[in-house]
Amino acid sequence: AQKVTQAQTEISVVEKEDVTLDCVYETRDTTYYLFWYKQPPSGELVFLIRRNSFDEQNEISGRYSWNFQKSTSSFNFTITASQVVDSAVYFCALHFSGNTPLVFGKGTRLSVIA
Amino acid sequence: NAGVTQTPKFRILKIGQSMTLQCTQDMNHNYMYWYRQDPGMGLKLIYYSVGAGITDKGEVPNGYNVSRSTTEDFPLRLELAAPSQTSVYFCASSYSIGFGFGQGTRLTVV
Repeated sequence: AQKVTQAQTEISVVEKEDVTLDCVYETRDTTYYLFWYKQPPSGELVFLIRRNSFDEQNEISGRYSWNFQKSTSSFNFTITASQVVDSAVYFCALHFSGNTPLVFGKGTRLSVIA
Repeated sequence: NAGVTQTPKFRILKIGQSMTLQCTQDMNHNYMYWYRQDPGMGLKLIYYSVGAGITDKGEVPNGYNVSRSTTEDFPLRLELAAPSQTSVYFCASSYSIGFGFGQGTRLTVV
């Protein structure tokens, strides 16, 4: 079965703290892609990153970084020096080779307090 | 390119009424999807389509119908609205590993 688990339902941090959002996935496929989306209070889904199963290099984009570990089936997302604008719901999603639907986790609501 | 366009953005329905959520994409993507998002539950797949004339059920298809007469359009039909269908609906399209999402439709059934 293909499944994405985001165990953290809600996280609150104070501005400038670092925060890590966890994502654990299950799949029997060897070729797959992992995604992170941000959903701000306005409601739209904002694409953040896509990573394929053959690329385990960590990725950094500004204050955002992602740690992909196949050994633990995890694709965790870290925000460094969080800001109020980072407050949103963050979704991790899994996609298989070919044109198949995205499978989403339940999301983690991040609140960054000034 | 407008990407994926959903209409309406908001709608209030009475129990038992019907409506169609419209979804159009201009990226010539063969694959299109409808998801619903309930609080704390992530996005669940309702229906999807691999091309014009072909549709298939997702995880939560009950109470909905879809059609795909053209590559561009993938409307979602609610025949007898129920309070359990109160949700935010997202349409998406894809080609290979690239996905585009609409802005969402917030539907309330009262």
